[in-house]
Amino acid sequence: DTAVSQTPKYLVTQMGNDKSIKCEQNLGHDTMYWYKQDSKKFLKIMFSYNNKELIINETVPNRFSPKSPDKAHLNLHINSLELGDSAVYFCASSQERRLTYEQYFGPGTRLTVT
Amino acid sequence: GEDVEQSLFLSVREGDSSVINCTYTDSSSTYLYWYKQEPGAGLQLLTYIFSNMDMKQDQRLTVLLNKKDKHLSLRIADTQTGDSAIYFCAEKIYNQGGKLIFGQGTELSVKP
Repeated sequence: DTAVSQTPKYLVTQMGNDKSIKCEQNLGHDTMYWYKQDSKKFLKIMFSYNNKELIINETVPNRFSPKSPDKAHLNLHINSLELGDSAVYFCASSQERRLTYEQYFGPGTRLTVT
Repeated sequence: GEDVEQSLFLSVREGDSSVINCTYTDSSSTYLYWYKQEPGAGLQLLTYIFSNMDMKQDQRLTVLLNKKDKHLSLRIADTQTGDSAIYFCAEKIYNQGGKLIFGQGTELSVKP
């Protein structure tokens, strides 16, 4: 069974459009994350939610808005897409009570903005 | 500040040992992790070490931590072609929730 899943796997869209990426985890974790991996493979955290509450919000344009309808889901909506948003976006989850904070990653969504 | 550095490439022959190195700057790291990313895939957690440990062994993987020098290494014994991937080290900073700081990744190429 897939632990952390993301949809879609690939997303090609034009500049100025609005798009969403969905993430679901079936691990029973209470914390979920969004990461962005650029073309040089550099991985940087964007957001983190714990029990539907935003706890990490890195310096990310406000065109990016995460939404967590419940503990098992964390979606990422992006408004007015720009060329620089092209990247692979990874969702991850962890259990905060486990002090090791092992994070489990989804397969990624490759976003291409043309 | 928060910074994690890795060399970008490593090439080894099948059957040899691979050693991937990582340095970090934040002395308040609590846990350090190694992740593996195969082409087109997500990150797979390989192993982690608590900051008060020096070494951790898990089958073919050995993690060494030198806290004084802020240096972390991952040794893969008997490297196989299936080990070819990008390896990321990451640190968890004390009191910043689950935030992980990742290195740039080391691309390991295993030649037959």
